[in-house]
Amino acid sequence: QVQLVQSGSELKKPGASVKVSCKASGYTFTSYPTNWVRQAPGQGLEWVGWINTNTGNPTYAQGFAGRFVFSLDTSVSTAYLQIAGLEAEDTAIYYCVTVVPNSGVGWGQGTLVTVSS
Amino acid sequence: QAVVTQEPSLTLSPGETVTLTCGSSTGAVTSGHYPCWFQQKPGQAPTTLIYGTINKESWTPARFSGSLLGGKAALTLSGAQPEDEADYYCLLSYSGTWVFGGGTKLTVL
Repeated sequence: QVQLVQSGSELKKPGASVKVSCKASGYTFTSYPTNWVRQAPGQGLEWVGWINTNTGNPTYAQGFAGRFVFSLDTSVSTAYLQIAGLEAEDTAIYYCVTVVPNSGVGWGQGTLVTVSS
Repeated sequence: QAVVTQEPSLTLSPGETVTLTCGSSTGAVTSGHYPCWFQQKPGQAPTTLIYGTINKESWTPARFSGSLLGGKAALTLSGAQPEDEADYYCLLSYSGTWVFGGGTKLTVL
């Protein structure tokens, strides 16, 4: 069963950076991509993009290229989302999500990133 | 970029049946869009109900089912329970690009 465990909540000042981790278990990490999804307060779900966990190649959704960077540490089955130059509008819960065909769609528990001075 | 549309809100009474739909601005939804349905209750992370159009997770109650209906993906809830009150999101994949619907707020009262 797909299990994704994310790092804890973060409080950052505008202009700072944050790195969110997502540790996978229950499947072969490098066989299926890790997606990232954002949910701003009171809003719906928004796809940020995905990273090919075999090659490390990232794909960013429209509006997320530049300050958002995906990375991996395959030795510990972990994906990372780093956001640079944080803005108040980046305040949201960030989820990692993985689809394992014929097995299901796993979600991390979410990481709340709060940007406030 | 494609736009995925859902009913903004639906209300039903316990025991009733409801169908939520998920349409695509690009045309008919097919199994190739790998439709998924997620349930989200206040303060909780989304949980997967349906993936790949019709497949259920091990925890998905039997009263939920997924299908394609009239060119859209559909989530049918047969015999609603009070605990089914939640937000429901559909997800369509367009050659690896994901697009979420705006969500349906389902009220059971």
